[in-house]
Formats: sequence, structure tokens, C-alpha cells
Amino acid sequence: AQTVTQSQPEMSVQEAETVTLSCTYDTSESDYYLFWYKQPPSRQMILVIRQEAYKQQNATENRFSVNFQKAAKSFSLKISDSQLGDAAMYFCAYKIYNTDKLIFGTGTRLQVFP
Amino acid sequence: GAVVSQHPSWVICKSGTSVKIECRSLDFQATTMFWYRQFPKQSLMLMATSNEGSKATYEQGVEKDKFLINHASLTLSTLTVTSAHPEDSSFYICSARDRTLAEGEQYFGPGTRLTVT
Repeated sequence: AQTVTQSQPEMSVQEAETVTLSCTYDTSESDYYLFWYKQPPSRQMILVIRQEAYKQQNATENRFSVNFQKAAKSFSLKISDSQLGDAAMYFCAYKIYNTDKLIFGTGTRLQVFP
Repeated sequence: GAVVSQHPSWVICKSGTSVKIECRSLDFQATTMFWYRQFPKQSLMLMATSNEGSKATYEQGVEKDKFLINHASLTLSTLTVTSAHPEDSSFYICSARDRTLAEGEQYFGPGTRLTVT
């Protein structure tokens, strides 16, 4: 069965600085999708970024980028120029092949200090 | 962007009663809806997947007779917690997708906090 592990329960960063959130996963599938979702204090989950496993190029969305290491089964999220609004819980998620089901990690709470 | 709403946002019920939570897609037709449960400071656990007009598919360990899911239309799914007990207290989140979304993407509702006394 697939698993998703986030080893950092909490992280903090100063405004305008860069922070990296870690995620590792375990799977026997060769083709899959990975995601980072953000859950702000309002609790409504928002998609931050997605990565298709067959693409070697790391996904980028404005200040958010990933470091996808398929062989190592690692999928970290880098947030550049951190803003106060980035403070939230961040969940790494794995999409099970041929379904729409997502498996979530335990989350990392990110605090941003001015 | 697409919006998914949940009602109520917070509900308190007495042990032994049933409570219904609604999940609506406001500006799109949701071919698939998902129900998650989130314990404090923990991850989202998928409870069930429902497609419009068909029975929900429950994840292993989820009691289908306790957590009744009805996906009656392309914009509405309901989760009914029957004979609720204090251990059912949790945060329940629904999500939805339609065919226009990329693989794995879901729109999430804001969640419903259930407290059973």
C-alpha cells in the first residue's frame, strides 16, 4: 500500500525568506501524481502544486516549486519569498493510480514571522 | 475558482442522535465527491467516494451503516452520521471534482466540525 510521510510537524520561516518542506512516499507504482495542498486557518484546502511522476522537470507555480526525486521517492516543497499569508498546514498527497483517491501525509504546520 | 460549500459548518448533537452534513458544488457539476475525516492535528483520512446516482464506495474500516452517504445529484452529496457517539466527534471535509479537472485535483469544502456530547 502507498504511504506518505511528512517528518516535520512544524516549521517556521521569516518573511521574505525561503523554506523547504519535506515529503517522502512509498509506492510500487511507476506512474502517479503528487500534490501539495495548503490548509489555512479557514480549513479550506487549496491546491498549491502538482507533479506528474513521468515528468522529470520539477513543477513550479510562482513562488512555489518542488524538488521531485523519483528514485529517492522524495517530493519537497520550496516556498520562496515567504509571505505572512503562507502560514498554514501543508499536506503532501499521493494519487492512487487509476483512481481519484488521494493519500495524505500528516501535514507540516508552517509559521511565518514578520 | 470552483466553490464547494458545506452545511452546517459546526454542529453539536447528543449521543445517539443522527446528524446530516451537506456538501454542495456551487458552480460546477461534481461527477465525484469524496468525504474525509480529520482528527485534530492529523491528516485527512478518506472515508468514501461517491459518484452521482450510484452507491458510495467506502474505505476499509469505515462503517457504511453508520456513515450514510447519498450523492443524489451532480451538485449535492450528504453524509449522515447515524447514532452518533462521542468518538465520532471530528472534522468532516468533503471534496468534489468534475471531468475538467486535471488528474487528482479536487475542490475542497471548508469542513464541518461535529461534536457529540
